[in-house]
Amino acid sequence: EVQLVESGGGVVRPGGSLRLSCAASGFTFDDYALSWVRQAPGKGLEWVCGINWNGGGTRYADSVRGRFTISRDNAKKSLYLQMNSLRAEDTAFYHCARYYGDYPGDTERYFDYWGQGALVTVSS
Amino acid sequence: QSALTQPASVSGSPGQSITISCTGTSSDVGGYNYVSWYQQHPGKAPKVMIYDVSKRPSGVSNRFSGSKSGNTASLTISGLQAEDEADYYCSSYTSSSNVFGTGTKVTVL
Repeated sequence: EVQLVESGGGVVRPGGSLRLSCAASGFTFDDYALSWVRQAPGKGLEWVCGINWNGGGTRYADSVRGRFTISRDNAKKSLYLQMNSLRAEDTAFYHCARYYGDYPGDTERYFDYWGQGALVTVSS
Repeated sequence: QSALTQPASVSGSPGQSITISCTGTSSDVGGYNYVSWYQQHPGKAPKVMIYDVSKRPSGVSNRFSGSKSGNTASLTISGLQAEDEADYYCSSYTSSSNVFGTGTKVTVL
């Protein structure tokens, strides 16, 4: 069974930093691209960033580029999101999501598995 | 990276059919056959219902169908059931990102 479990959420002051982790199980981790998708409480989904199967390619939403860094450790079957210079508008549940792929390097076109999310609250 | 446009709410009676639209541009919806649709119940993670415009993952009811014309994609739910009451989001691949729609709340009357 595919499982994605996020951790590392919490309360942080504006301008602060936080690192989220996503532990994966139930599939061959390094065959798949991964992503972070966030959802502010009561609001819609927003794609944040994505990383390809070997970590050699990353993409970011304009709203977080230069402040957030996505990375992965295939040996540990883990995905990470380093968030710096946090703002109140970054407050959200952050979901780890797996891109569907027929093979490593396949087009990152939709998400077939999601974690439950980790809540990040940016507040003074 | 502007969000795709969806109606805020759509409602229907049990057994009826409803359609949710998702409007983008030639850089997203219109440029690729990579539109997907997600169902989200309160407090739950999203679940993919349609991918690649009109394909259904294994286990998803054939009451759900998708289509696209130009820059607008659509999700149709036929034979509406109480369990279909949820939020629905479209999403599209782009050359630099993935983008979601604004979301539609489906209410079963």
